[in-house]
Amino acid sequence: SYELTQPPSVSVSPGQTARITCSGDALPKKYAHWFQQKSGQAPVLVIQEDTKRPSTIPARFSGSSSGTVATLIISGAQVEDEADYYCYSTDSTDSLWVFGGGTKLTVL
Amino acid sequence: EVQLVESGGGSFQVGESVRLSCATSGLAFSTFWMHWIRQAPGKGLVFVSRISTDGTVTNYADSVRGRFVISRDNARNTLYLQMNNLRADDSGVYYCGQVGYWGQGTRVTVSS
Repeated sequence: SYELTQPPSVSVSPGQTARITCSGDALPKKYAHWFQQKSGQAPVLVIQEDTKRPSTIPARFSGSSSGTVATLIISGAQVEDEADYYCYSTDSTDSLWVFGGGTKLTVL
Repeated sequence: EVQLVESGGGSFQVGESVRLSCATSGLAFSTFWMHWIRQAPGKGLVFVSRISTDGTVTNYADSVRGRFVISRDNARNTLYLQMNNLRADDSGVYYCGQVGYWGQGTRVTVSS
């Protein structure tokens, strides 16, 4: 089996920088993708392949990856960024995809 | 505009079978590996299955391997998930997609 580990919760004040980490043994060689999911809604991609931001996503969202840890960064977090965030990646064989357990971001 | 629309969900009994469909438009469907993921009530997202562009390679989560079959029809731009021998813990919202785009999901409820 393969696991991605995220902190259960992160809390910041509006305007502060939120960092959500995702740890996995295969991340040095495999991309991490990040999804935002608001209550009752479908997941939305916010960062693809470690660092690529879709054009529809605000510029305050960015991503980085170093070694076995990928990080989602929200610079100047807004109240509307409150949501659950999930990382998504694959194991070294590319046959088992997994989500991290999810991180609940609170902005208040 | 890219659209993915899942269908086929509903209420089922343990042991029954159901086929979910995912109709896509505005997406170069035949060029993407496609995924099914699910979310049980109040829980996180979970990978279910993935299929290669031509349908020859498939991957499954351990919990569904041997019971679920993923397939695709590139001529119809449609993805499928055949779910057999349903269990109560298969309940949840099932989403289809590729990394960049996901549908709104279809709910499957399995009861004994």
